[in-house]
Amino acid sequence: KQEVTQIPAALSVPEGENLVLNCSFTDSAIYNLQWFRQDPGKGLTSLLLIQSSQREQTSGRLNASLDKSSGRSTLYIAASQPGDSATYLCALRQSTFGDGTTLTVKP
Amino acid sequence: EPEVTQTPSHQVTQMGQEVILRCVPISNHLYFYWYRQILGQKVEFLVSFYNNEISEKSEIFDDQFSVERPDGSNFTLKIRSTKLEDSAMYFCASSDEYHYSNQPQHFGDGTRLSIL
Repeated sequence: KQEVTQIPAALSVPEGENLVLNCSFTDSAIYNLQWFRQDPGKGLTSLLLIQSSQREQTSGRLNASLDKSSGRSTLYIAASQPGDSATYLCALRQSTFGDGTTLTVKP
Repeated sequence: EPEVTQTPSHQVTQMGQEVILRCVPISNHLYFYWYRQILGQKVEFLVSFYNNEISEKSEIFDDQFSVERPDGSNFTLKIRSTKLEDSAMYFCASSDEYHYSNQPQHFGDGTRLSIL
């Protein structure tokens, strides 16, 4: 059974810092991996989706990588801003989610 | 930008009662999903739906649950004989392609279900 783990559970950084969020999974037979953002009391917003055949995806200040052989994905956020404060979730095949990393960016 | 809408935002129901959660997916989307998130826990997949039938369901989605697309716009989740442990945030999502695609899902803001 696929297991998804996200480390760290929480992260607090000063504004402007670059940061990396980690997602690891146990079964490399994935179709895609999606990174979401969840704001308190809100639904999930899809940030980036990487298909199994891809190594990375970029959108603005966000870059997500995928290494199936090691069972890992990373979400890189450049020049963090207070508005980036949220919980970030990774999900495999739209059906298996991690616990999330709660990010706080301090002004 | 089109969005997925869910109603009500908060539903309070007595244990044992039936509840229907409603969702209006994005109009040109073909694939629909329900998820739940118990407070402080992971988002859990319940069911996916395409072409008027269930495509995939999780172990959670037992006979207590059912889904329906009663018309061209609504997508509903019915929970029969509700239990205390059904209390959670329920999210609806839609996409215009299925699991294996490169099309992201769009989520609603959820319905908070409280069972008393």
